[in-house]
Amino acid sequence: AQKITQTQPGMFVQEKEAVTLDCTYDTSDPSYGLFWYKQPSSGEMIFLIYQGSYDQQNATEGRYSLNFQKARKSANLVISASQLGDSAMYFCAMRSPPNNNDMRFGAGTRLTVKP
Amino acid sequence: DTAVSQTPKYLVTQMGNDKSIKCEQNLGHDTMYWYKQDSKKFLKIMFSYNNKELIINETVPNRFSPKSPDKAHLNLHINSLELGDSAVYFCASSPWAGAHLNTEAFFGQGTRLTVV
Repeated sequence: AQKITQTQPGMFVQEKEAVTLDCTYDTSDPSYGLFWYKQPSSGEMIFLIYQGSYDQQNATEGRYSLNFQKARKSANLVISASQLGDSAMYFCAMRSPPNNNDMRFGAGTRLTVKP
Repeated sequence: DTAVSQTPKYLVTQMGNDKSIKCEQNLGHDTMYWYKQDSKKFLKIMFSYNNKELIINETVPNRFSPKSPDKAHLNLHINSLELGDSAVYFCASSPWAGAHLNTEAFFGQGTRLTVV
């Protein structure tokens, strides 16, 4: 069964600095998709970025980028130039066979941006 | 024009009661989900439906019963509520993932259930 691990319960970063949030995963299938979501204190789940297992390049979306290391089975989220509004819970998630519709989440990392 | 909407947003009820949470999506998606987020923020998948058919049924007490009258709606009924059922319940929808793994899930705003 697929498994997602986020080992950092909490992280702190100074405003305007970059921060990396870790995510490792475990699946026996070569085909899978990895997602990152942000959950601010208001509670909504916001999709940030996607990385496919066959994608040749690391995904980027504005200040968000993925450090995808397939051999190590890691898909770390990098947030550049942190802003106060980046303070939130961040979740890594995965879809993989045999049921691609099954989206599983890691335990999350709480990021706090300090002014 | 909310994409995935859940009602109610807050629900406070006594132990032993039966309650329902409703979810509707206007995105035309085939697949809908229920997730439970506990006090430690862990998101656990409970159920998933595709076109009214149950496709994921996790180890959940049978007091929880999902119902999908059509592919745009997925309701969650909970019988004999217990203190441990207190959590935030999220509905989500996505296109049928099938062979396309890059389908993100769109989440509702969540329903905070408090059992007293």
